Amino acid sequence: QSALTQPASVSGSPGQSITISCTGTSSDVGRYIVVSWYQQHPGKAPKLLIFEVTKRPSGVSSRFSGSKSGNTASLTISGLQPEDEADYYCCSYAGDSTYVFGTGTLVTVL
Amino acid sequence: DVQLVESGGGLVQPGGSLRLSCAASGFGLYNHYMGWVRQAPGKGLEWVGRSRNERNGGTSEYAASVKGRFTVSRDDSTNSVYLQMTSLKTEDTAVYYCVRGGYCSGATCSSFDNWGQGTLVTVS
Repeated sequence: QSALTQPASVSGSPGQSITISCTGTSSDVGRYIVVSWYQQHPGKAPKLLIFEVTKRPSGVSSRFSGSKSGNTASLTISGLQPEDEADYYCCSYAGDSTYVFGTGTLVTVL
Repeated sequence: DVQLVESGGGLVQPGGSLRLSCAASGFGLYNHYMGWVRQAPGKGLEWVGRSRNERNGGTSEYAASVKGRFTVSRDDSTNSVYLQMTSLKTEDTAVYYCVRGGYCSGATCSSFDNWGQGTLVTVS
């Protein structure tokens, strides 16, 4: 199972919106709604941001939103803030009780 | 509050074995699927495997890269999860995170909704 493809880095200025893509195949992202997104600050454990493509856990800012079209899922961060600078990973169910993560995207706030 | 605390990491030689533990608190383990995700130094996340709760069969599933070498087990009476690793390879070097499955039913969990702080395993 190959990792889902994400851009290595995305940057934006404070207050701007950015979108991170996550491209898989018809066997994972394209087939299931079980797509989630995680934020990881340096030296810290990942934190759940989005589950089931579009849903936010309680306590996660509404500035984070998710979507999916075909084999590509996307995470949008609106009103970019300095604390959003981190690594972001997507994850999809891949069938046969397995999961696959994305390659990861470093978000830089300029 | 939900808390997951891993232990048992360390340095091990190639071909060796190691057992990681995860102590869960703030929730009942019997209600949840539990698993492990790893991250090699400077690399991305990789799903390792998981254990379903008894109500959903109590079976375990694994990534192809560790199948036959790693075993996920659990003790609901002590709220503990384990990862037994054998025939370790240098490419197994990583921080291993204990994770809780969120909204699980049948084969799927909607997410990994809680993570431990991780424990480092070095195979060298």
